[in-house]
Amino acid sequence: DGGITQSPKYLFRKEGQNVTLSCEQNLNHDAMYWYRQDPGQGLRLIYYSQIVNDFQKGDIAEGYSVSREKKESFPLTVTSAQKNPTAFYLCASSIAQTNQPQHFGDGTRLSIL
Amino acid sequence: AQKITQTQPGMFVQEKEAVTLDCTYDTSDPSYGLFWYKQPSSGEMIFLIYQGSYDQQNATEGRYSLNFQKARKSANLVISASQLGDSAMYFCAMRASGNTPLVFGKGTRLSVIA
Repeated sequence: DGGITQSPKYLFRKEGQNVTLSCEQNLNHDAMYWYRQDPGQGLRLIYYSQIVNDFQKGDIAEGYSVSREKKESFPLTVTSAQKNPTAFYLCASSIAQTNQPQHFGDGTRLSIL
Repeated sequence: AQKITQTQPGMFVQEKEAVTLDCTYDTSDPSYGLFWYKQPSSGEMIFLIYQGSYDQQNATEGRYSLNFQKARKSANLVISASQLGDSAMYFCAMRASGNTPLVFGKGTRLSVIA
């Protein structure tokens, strides 16, 4: 079955710690995206990548970093510089056409210890 | 830049009734796509329906239809014959071109009452 796998489902971070959220897709999509969702809020774009070895900042990139070394993988690191990391993180991918929807993973819920 | 506005934080509907969820958008691009997603309490995002800016007819997918009024820049989602399983957050989103990211509204929480 083709799809997007995010892991872990739940993650806890200690003060001053960096944590990495995994996102893998086997849909052969060129573009991948990371969104953050706070309770009762919409999705805000953190980073996106349209091609391997290239990525762009979204609206709330501060305190986050990404890499795109393989087409299938787009990990997100939440650094210690992100002072309010508690949120639901969603990874998505899509074909590079206007009329194609983004496909989403099941999300990772990150909390502060 | 694109912007999506969903003005209804929450909506209630009786089971088997129809409901309309509002969405207005703003963009200067002549070519764009509009999307609706459903997010149940479990968190996954489920794609429901798509409307292109040049589509002549309103999109329909089963019980979902999109009331597209281009001059008013609105793309309202209509759910017919509501079911208890329709209770969820609903997000309107748009993309101006190619593989640029979707821009999302803040969502509407729909509650279906038996």
